Amino acid sequence: QVQLVESGGGVVQPGRSLRLSCAASAFSLNDYNMHWVRQAPGKGLEWVAVISFDGSNKYFVDSVKGRFTISRDNSKNTLYLQMSSLRAEDTAVYYCATSAPKYGDLGSWGQGTLVTVSS
Amino acid sequence: DIQMTQSPSTLSASVGDRVTITCRASQSISNWLAWYQQKPGKAPKLLIYEASTLESGVPSRFRGSGSGTEFTLTISSLQPDDFASYYCQQYNSYPIMFGQGTRLEIK
Repeated sequence: QVQLVESGGGVVQPGRSLRLSCAASAFSLNDYNMHWVRQAPGKGLEWVAVISFDGSNKYFVDSVKGRFTISRDNSKNTLYLQMSSLRAEDTAVYYCATSAPKYGDLGSWGQGTLVTVSS
Repeated sequence: DIQMTQSPSTLSASVGDRVTITCRASQSISNWLAWYQQKPGKAPKLLIYEASTLESGVPSRFRGSGSGTEFTLTISSLQPDDFASYYCQQYNSYPIMFGQGTRLEIK
């Protein structure tokens, strides 16, 4: 059974950094584009970033450009989101999700990890 | 960026009702649209992709239609398990955008 498990969330002060991880089991990340999607408390879904299956292409939502980076280590079957210069408005549950390389519908999701940016 | 406008934001209905949720794109996205269901505290679940293709295991009472800029999700006969939030998502181009969501509640 496809499983994605996020980790690395927690409480962090504004301006600081945090790295999220998403570990896959029962399938190979090599075959998928990988996405991060977030959801602020009580709010809707916001797509954050994508990295192509081979790591050659990356896209970000404007609000995180220059502050977040996305990477993957296919040998470890793990996806990362490095978040820096964190703001209160980055507070959210962060989900990782998969899509087939040519498409953007998100077929498998992790359970999410909560990031709280607060002093 | 392509904006997605979803309506209504809240929908009250009863078990057995037929309901429709609408999603409009700010420009044509062909059929690159997905629908998700989300229950409180849980990750979203893909229901429909390419506007009208049912994801494996999703009940046939869920139906998606539309192309271009106008799309609908119809649930033909609501079941107790269907009361949840629903989101549309365009994946014609980056940045991927979600609709604001529709909360389907029991009347």
